[in-house]
Amino acid sequence: GAGVSQSPRYKVAKRGQDVALRCDPISGHVSLFWYQQALGQGPEFLTYFQNEAQLDKSGLPSDRFFAERPEGSVSTLKIQRTQQEDSAVYLCASSLVAGTGFNEQFFGPGTRLTVL
Amino acid sequence: KNEVEQSPQNLTAQEGEFITINCSYSVGISALHWLQQHPGGGIVSLFMLSSGKKKHGRLIATINIQEKHSSLHITASHPRDSAVYICAVESLRDDKIIFGKGTRLHILP
Repeated sequence: GAGVSQSPRYKVAKRGQDVALRCDPISGHVSLFWYQQALGQGPEFLTYFQNEAQLDKSGLPSDRFFAERPEGSVSTLKIQRTQQEDSAVYLCASSLVAGTGFNEQFFGPGTRLTVL
Repeated sequence: KNEVEQSPQNLTAQEGEFITINCSYSVGISALHWLQQHPGGGIVSLFMLSSGKKKHGRLIATINIQEKHSSLHITASHPRDSAVYICAVESLRDDKIIFGKGTRLHILP
C-alpha cells in the first residue's frame, strides 16, 4: 500500500473487554511507533519498534497494554481489560530510518477506541 | 505545566485572513515540528525546524531558540486549511517527542 494503514478504524468495547489494534506500516520501514491521543489532546508516545525489537515501551500506561511486531512489519497493540480512560485515538507511524527522531515519520489514520 | 504550550487552543477566521499559531516550550530541544491533523486522525508533517525560518507555499514557520518559541503563519487562509495544528519538540533530555495539545483552526468561507 501507499501509506500506513490501521484497522479497525473505529472500535467500541465494553469495559473489561480485550482489544487488538493493527498497524500495517509502509513496506520496508524499519521504525514503527504507537501513540495515544485523547480527545482534545496532542498525541502521546506509547512505544517504539526497530524492526521486530521493541526498544522503548516507556510510554505504555499500564501492564494492560502490550505491543508486538513479531516479523518486523505488521504491529499489534493489545489492550487487556479495557477501561474508560483507554478511550482515545491510537495512532501508528512508521519511518524508513532507525531511531526515535520524528523526522520522516508517516502516520496512519488512527483507530478510535471508545470504551463504554 | 505542560512542557509544550500552544496558543490559541481554538481559532476561527474568515477566508483570506493571516493566521498565527504560537508554540512555547520549556525543555532543551534538538528540533521542533509543526504537524497538521485533519478530521479522521491522519497527521502530516509540515515543517521541521532547528533554527530560523522556513517557508512552504502559504505556510511560514519560525523559531527563536533563545526564547523557546515558534510560530506558524498561514497567509491568505482558505477553508481547506481548517485542521488541528500541532507543535511537537524533540527533547534533548531523553530523545522523546513531546506534543502540544494542538490548535483547532476553522476558516470560514
